[in-house]
Amino acid sequence: EAQVTQNPRYLITVTGKKLTVTCSQNMNHEYMSWYRQDPGLGLRQIYYSMNVEVTDKGDVPEGYKVSRKEKRNFPLILESPSPNQTSLYFCASTHRGEKLFFGSGTQLSVL
Amino acid sequence: KQEVTQIPAALSVPEGENLVLNCSFTDSAIYNLQWFRQDPGKGLTSLLLIQSSQREQTSGRLNASLDKSSGRSTLYIAASQPGDSATYLCAVRGGGGSNYKLTFGKGTLLTVNP
Repeated sequence: EAQVTQNPRYLITVTGKKLTVTCSQNMNHEYMSWYRQDPGLGLRQIYYSMNVEVTDKGDVPEGYKVSRKEKRNFPLILESPSPNQTSLYFCASTHRGEKLFFGSGTQLSVL
Repeated sequence: KQEVTQIPAALSVPEGENLVLNCSFTDSAIYNLQWFRQDPGKGLTSLLLIQSSQREQTSGRLNASLDKSSGRSTLYIAASQPGDSATYLCAVRGGGGSNYKLTFGKGTLLTVNP
């Protein structure tokens, strides 16, 4: 089954403790991206990757890192999480100009 | 910078009614536009994708149109059903100097009453 898999589904952590949210797709898509969704602000793009080893900033990249060492994986790294990074995070992928496939989301709470 | 606006923010209709959701964007140099559906606590599901060279796309009771020059798209839902209740999001790829950035509107919360 074609899918985008995010883990974990829920995560509670404390300020400053490094964490990684994983994202994997099984569709051989070149393009992958990360978003955060906040009430009243909607979905905002954090980072995107056009292919292996090619990444670029979205609209809200501060405090986040990404890497794309393999085509199927695109982890989101928070080196020193802060409470303002509490949010619902989504990973998505697509092939060229086709439909975007989303993961089920990761609800992150930073205390 | 690309900006996407969706009107109305919320809409409540009786079952069976035809309805239109609106999306507007500020930079017409887009690559494509997608309409998504999001159920509470869930991820997004792509409904329709319109490439920049296309004018409309249809899937079942859904029809999406694109007028790139005026920066507008509409999603038409025919014969609405309670199962259509969800948040509908419009997303534009491109504009603002990048063909790879996606910009989302804040969505329209649709409630279809039985």
